[in-house]
Amino acid sequence: DTAVSQTPKYLVTQMGNDKSIKCEQNLGHDTMYWYKQDSKKFLKIMFSYNNKELIINETVPNRFSPKSPDKAHLNLHINSLELGDSAVYFCASSQKRVAGQETQYFGPGTRLLVL
Amino acid sequence: DQQVKQNSPSLSVQEGRISILNCDYTNSMFDYFLWYKKYPAEGPTFLISISSIKDKNEDGRFTVFLNKSAKHLSLHIVPSQPGDSAVYFCAASVYNNNDMRFGAGTRLTVKP
Repeated sequence: DTAVSQTPKYLVTQMGNDKSIKCEQNLGHDTMYWYKQDSKKFLKIMFSYNNKELIINETVPNRFSPKSPDKAHLNLHINSLELGDSAVYFCASSQKRVAGQETQYFGPGTRLLVL
Repeated sequence: DQQVKQNSPSLSVQEGRISILNCDYTNSMFDYFLWYKKYPAEGPTFLISISSIKDKNEDGRFTVFLNKSAKHLSLHIVPSQPGDSAVYFCAASVYNNNDMRFGAGTRLTVKP
């Protein structure tokens, strides 16, 4: 049973297109995240979301928007794709056991290539 | 502004020996630190963590040491096994803040 799953695993698309990446977690966690791993391999948080609050990293362009139909899903929509959006995108989830201390569980990643 | 730095992009050790992976951070507000392990084409998986109230946490072959004054933590793997070959990410967060910061990772290769 995959705890955090993402689809698709690979996504190749043209500049200017709109695409979505889906994420689902079956851990019962209440917070989900999207990360971007750039060409220098840094993992940078894009969004964190629970049923109360969406926190957006201010450096993320507004072409990126998370959509959460329910607690177990956080999908990432990207409009007007640009070459620089090519990266690996990871979804993650967590459940706070001790306030401020949590472990995030990651999906396998979606490799996006914009041509 | 990379607040978490792993200055060694790669490390190679012999099977059975100790692997020491290092991580430095700049934000003194960080109070929770984690190590993640990542295999190719997979997402990072949680390995071990440490709270700032401790200076050592041990789990089997893995031990994390925290030196708050130096803003430095390290992961020790003893004995190293070929299956430990992966990229190891150091991560840090601030109390009650979901914003976890990651280092760039260190690729560990354990040779049989």
